[in-house]
Amino acid sequence: EIVLTQSPGTLSLSPGESATLSCRASQIVSSRYLAWYQQKPGQAPRLLIYAASSRAIGIPDRFSGSGSGTDFTLTISRLEPEDFAVYYCQQYDNSRFTFGPGTKVDIK
Amino acid sequence: QVTLKESGPALVKPTQTLTLTCAFSGFSLTTSGVCVGWIRQPPGKALEWLALIDWDDNKYYNTSLKTRLTISKDTSKNQVVLTMTNMDPVDTATYYCAREGLAGDFDFWGQGTLVTVSS
Repeated sequence: EIVLTQSPGTLSLSPGESATLSCRASQIVSSRYLAWYQQKPGQAPRLLIYAASSRAIGIPDRFSGSGSGTDFTLTISRLEPEDFAVYYCQQYDNSRFTFGPGTKVDIK
Repeated sequence: QVTLKESGPALVKPTQTLTLTCAFSGFSLTTSGVCVGWIRQPPGKALEWLALIDWDDNKYYNTSLKTRLTISKDTSKNQVVLTMTNMDPVDTATYYCAREGLAGDFDFWGQGTLVTVSS
């Protein structure tokens, strides 16, 4: 099973700053099958990025994904107040799905 | 538009079997390539994938929970059902159903249903 590790655990930033979130896999992940989600308290996760770098429908272009192999990055440029949340990466391999432990982006 | 909604008991006792239903609309599980999965999240913790069923009735399970899980579908009712046997307090979580998207992701999610396991 592919294990995903996310860093940092918490990122404290101010509105307007940029956030760089890391997701590292224990084995090579196909870029086609790496996704990122945003989750706010009391809400279901929302798909932000699929196939490592493709934005889901309705996602602002300040969200971008990159990476390949075992290292993937979610970048949020110019943080808006509504962007403070928990972010999860997720991979799919051999008919199995795993999620990372999450990175919390909170207001500094 | 695509919607999913989970339903089931809010409270189950240890050792009991949990049955959850996901009612969906806006897509069909008879369409080639369409899949629906279940994911759970203990309070304050991360997401954990549980199971997935596809349009062709193929079923996939989290390896560590496989012996306790059964996923099924009723295409006439647009529903997916998950059963989990031998429930334990550590299974207390919000349970979500979600549609699989284009690339092994989950593009639409239900609101989730909180299940507490307690005697």
